[in-house]
Amino acid sequence: SQKIEQNSEALNIQEGKTATLTCNYTNYSPAYLQWYRQDPGRGPVFLLLIRENEKEKRKERLKVTFDTTLKQSLFHITASQPADSATYLCALDSGNTGKLIFGQGTTLQVKP
Amino acid sequence: DAGVIQSPRHEVTEMGQEVTLRCKPISGHNSLFWYRQTMMRGLELLIYFNNNVPIDDSGMPEDRFSAKMPNASFSTLKIQPSEPRDSAVYFCASSTGLNEQFFGPGTRLTVL
Repeated sequence: SQKIEQNSEALNIQEGKTATLTCNYTNYSPAYLQWYRQDPGRGPVFLLLIRENEKEKRKERLKVTFDTTLKQSLFHITASQPADSATYLCALDSGNTGKLIFGQGTTLQVKP
Repeated sequence: DAGVIQSPRHEVTEMGQEVTLRCKPISGHNSLFWYRQTMMRGLELLIYFNNNVPIDDSGMPEDRFSAKMPNASFSTLKIQPSEPRDSAVYFCASSTGLNEQFFGPGTRLTVL
């Protein structure tokens, strides 16, 4: 069956360190993958999109990799700050239709 | 731009009552999505529209749920009759084609 897995446990890191979040999937062949940030009581906010023919994408302190052989995406936040504390969701397209399937999300806590 | 607008922000109702959630997408966006988010199941797609036409409603839990999009600037999600297990946060999102989705602030529904 199709499955998207993100670290279910919260990730706690020290300010200034690099946070790495993982998104694994099975039985999907997504044309692209997206990462969103969600703060408590708010809707998800888009961060980055990476296509199947792209290995890596960067935006400021954020970096996403996409390995279609491993069926995995890694999301990195360098020089992390307490303001980066939030839940991060990965989402796969389903059949190149615009329809997204979301993972459960990983909660990141950056301690000062 | 005001972003995606949802109303009401909070709704408390009793079991058996009809509930109507409303969404105004971002002007110019041609795709609209309704999601439900709970701790147990995460963010689930209920239904999505493209150019006001329902494309995929496979996520709608049962016949008690219905959604309409009478024009490009308005959509409703109706639950009739509501049940306690429908308690969740309901999000509306809009997008242009195969791009990032913009989420509204959500409606927190509590069914007693």
